[in-house]
Amino acid sequence: SAVISQKPSRDICQRGTSLTIQCQVDSQVTMMFWYRQQPGQSLTLIATANQGSEATYESGFVIDKFPISRPNLTFSTLTVSNMSPEDSSIYLCSVETGRNYGYTFGSGTRLTVV
Amino acid sequence: AQSVTQLGSHVSVSEGALVLLRCNYSSSVPPYLFWYVQYPNQGLQLLLKYTTGATLVKGINGFEAEFKKSETSFHLTKPSAHMSDAAEYFCAVTSPFGNEKLTFGTGTRLTIIP
Repeated sequence: SAVISQKPSRDICQRGTSLTIQCQVDSQVTMMFWYRQQPGQSLTLIATANQGSEATYESGFVIDKFPISRPNLTFSTLTVSNMSPEDSSIYLCSVETGRNYGYTFGSGTRLTVV
Repeated sequence: AQSVTQLGSHVSVSEGALVLLRCNYSSSVPPYLFWYVQYPNQGLQLLLKYTTGATLVKGINGFEAEFKKSETSFHLTKPSAHMSDAAEYFCAVTSPFGNEKLTFGTGTRLTIIP
């Protein structure tokens, strides 16, 4: 299965600022998925990033708030823009690397907005 | 559309007792089903998955789950709980078509009583 390197692992940010989260995969993948896990909650999909096209956002998430880049088949970034305390969450990227392997997740970015 | 329902947000079992975590799904197509475990302050780790074939699937750490189409269930079990099993468990569903998102249940926090 794939190995994902996600960074930063955690950050404390001031409200109104932006944070960019990076995910690097050790193999080429078509789709990358970005999830948010709010404190004590389950995972919610933010968007799906396909190389060479605009990301597809789920209901309740917008590009201006969570811009995503997918410059190649092994890398993606998620930016959390104009942050507020409500954005304090764990953000995770994920890829599917073949139906026999399921989905692999990055180790997550624990974001605290103060 | 697909969805997952996990019955019981918190489950407590004694060490050595049977672990049973419940998951029911809704899907208009044959589902692919997954169980993930999340230890405190860590990312998600795949426990096991059902795609096709044998309906009883075995995973890591002694866990197994049985896909029951008639009951739309995919309950997770382990014969004898260990203290190290204390974690958050997520059931997830996706379609068989590839490069589709995972839809997660709300999670079950498993506590092991010494």
